[in-house]
Amino acid sequence: ELKVEQNPLFLSMQEGKNYTIYCNYSTTSDRLYWYRQDPGKSLESLFVLLSNGAVKQEGRLMASLDTKARLSTLHITAAVHDLSATYFCAGDNNAGNMLTFGGGTRLMVKP
Amino acid sequence: EPEVTQTPSHQVTQMGQEVILRCVPISNHLYFYWYRQILGQKVEFLVSFYNNEISEKSEIFDDQFSVERPDGSNFTLKIRSTKLEDSAMYFCASSRQGSLEAFFGQGTRLTVV
Repeated sequence: ELKVEQNPLFLSMQEGKNYTIYCNYSTTSDRLYWYRQDPGKSLESLFVLLSNGAVKQEGRLMASLDTKARLSTLHITAAVHDLSATYFCAGDNNAGNMLTFGGGTRLMVKP
Repeated sequence: EPEVTQTPSHQVTQMGQEVILRCVPISNHLYFYWYRQILGQKVEFLVSFYNNEISEKSEIFDDQFSVERPDGSNFTLKIRSTKLEDSAMYFCASSRQGSLEAFFGQGTRLTVV
């Protein structure tokens, strides 16, 4: 059974600073996903990482995947207030028909 | 841009009542899912559906739950006899291929009183 753990669970940071959210998973998972959720809203797909060494960037966010270490990271560069949200990573099972989510990282960016 | 739509956005029901949550997945998607999120907690998988049958389900998805694709566009989740602990946000999702980039609907907030 796939287990996904994120840390930190809560992150308060100043605008302009950099930080990384970590996502560890327990068993082999070739695909890793990052989602953003604003309060009371749905899950917005940010990144789909399909293979070892995959790196994707969108604006101030960059995600990477190391399947050997079973680790994905979401790096935030020069944070701005608009990035305040909860970020979830998720892995899928080998059949590709079920996502297991991490506990989420609630990010608060202060001016 | 195509999106997954869910109705209603909020449903309040009495304990023991049946509820049906409705979803219209993206039209060319073949895989459909239900997830739930209890307030402030993580997102939990309930069930996936492909080719008119359940392809995977979690322990949460017990005999009180059922899914159906009654026509070519709708995908429903039925809870036969709701419990207080069923109160959560229920998200429908769909994808073209497996769970590759599943797109989520806006959710139905279910409150059982």
